[in-house]
Amino acid sequence: GNSVTQMEGPVTLSEEAFLTINCTYTATGYPSLFWYVQYPGEGLQLLLKATKADDKGSNKGFEATYRKETTSFHLEKGSVQVSDSAVYFCALIVNNAGNMLTFGGGTRLMVKP
Amino acid sequence: KAGVTQTPRYLIKTRGQQVTLSCSPISGHRSVSWYQQTPGQGLQFLFEYFSETQRNKGNFPGRFSGRQFSNSRSEMNVSTLELGDSALYLCASSLAQGTGYTFGSGTRLTVV
Repeated sequence: GNSVTQMEGPVTLSEEAFLTINCTYTATGYPSLFWYVQYPGEGLQLLLKATKADDKGSNKGFEATYRKETTSFHLEKGSVQVSDSAVYFCALIVNNAGNMLTFGGGTRLMVKP
Repeated sequence: KAGVTQTPRYLIKTRGQQVTLSCSPISGHRSVSWYQQTPGQGLQFLFEYFSETQRNKGNFPGRFSGRQFSNSRSEMNVSTLELGDSALYLCASSLAQGTGYTFGSGTRLTVV
């Protein structure tokens, strides 16, 4: 089946530190990959996506590159802000196999001033 | 344009009751999916509807059901509520397969 594994949190960083949240996946077919963010008391917001190998998704200073050879989609940001504190979810959809997102367990990021 | 709207935002129900949650997708989006989020199980897929037809279903008991109307609005129903059904229920809409979803803010259901 399909699965997504994320590094466990919480990840605690100081403001302006470099962020990496690891994500690896297994998929029965060719997946599209996503990062979603969830702020307290809210639903999920799409942060970025990549639909084929070597694609780089980017948004709001966050980046992730689709690495087929290592089945990974690690999230990075060069300089985090307090406002980035949230829970981050890595997810995939296997193309042509339904429209169901498979999520990782989520990683809580806490950024201290 | 308006996002995905879920109502109500909060619900408190008693064990054994039933509940109906509502979701209005983004205009033009015909695919609507539902997810359950709990601290223990994380985010789990419930079902997906497209053009009023259930296209996919997750591994949940038959107490969980849904439907989609001709205007793409969707409802999900949970009958005979159990304490373990307490969760955040998220609805999401999508324009096309594989493009990712836009989520609503969710309905937080508490079963007492």
